[in-house]
Amino acid sequence: DVKVTQSSRYLVKRTGEKVFLECVQDMDHENMFWYRQDPGLGLRLIYFSYDVKMKEKGDIPEGYSVSREKKERFSLILESASTNQTSMYLCASRPGQNTEAFFGQGTRLTVV
Amino acid sequence: QKEVEQDPGPLSVPEGAIVSLNCTYSNSAFQYFMWYRQYSRKGPELLMYTYSSGNKEDGRFTAQVDKSSKYISLFIRDSQPSDSATYLCAMSDGGKGDMRFGAGTRLTVKP
Repeated sequence: DVKVTQSSRYLVKRTGEKVFLECVQDMDHENMFWYRQDPGLGLRLIYFSYDVKMKEKGDIPEGYSVSREKKERFSLILESASTNQTSMYLCASRPGQNTEAFFGQGTRLTVV
Repeated sequence: QKEVEQDPGPLSVPEGAIVSLNCTYSNSAFQYFMWYRQYSRKGPELLMYTYSSGNKEDGRFTAQVDKSSKYISLFIRDSQPSDSATYLCAMSDGGKGDMRFGAGTRLTVKP
């Protein structure tokens, strides 16, 4: 089975902190994604990566950055956390362009 | 107008009912269509994956795509309380880029 693992299920951080969300997949997938999910807004794409060291902005990249130094790991970084970044963060991966995506269990981040 | 529209519900049905969940979209380049199920406080899990128009059946679930109308559906037969979840439609154009998701429909199946 495909396994996408996010480092934390729940996180509480203070405003202004630098926050790292880690995602690891064990199936040698090319593509990896970071979404945030908010009630009534569905899943919104923050960043995605189709190869190591490659990244592309999604719909809402402001306030976020990403890192993909190894194929299996895709990190989301909140440079200076703000309360409006309180959300459920979902990582996903897929083998290639024309394939389905597999999600991690999500990280519920609260910024206070 | 959003690229993918999905009625958020909530939808409540009795056990055994046939459930119909729907999405419409505006981008005619979409070719790959997916349905995900998401239980509370969990990540989405893939239910169905279809390419282009037509029907695909898997057990109690049937996915239907009508590209001419830009409309996709998921039917659940003999619904069970364990089907209670949020259902998300997703689609992509097959390029290197992202998938687009609907907002999700919250379904409750009452015993």
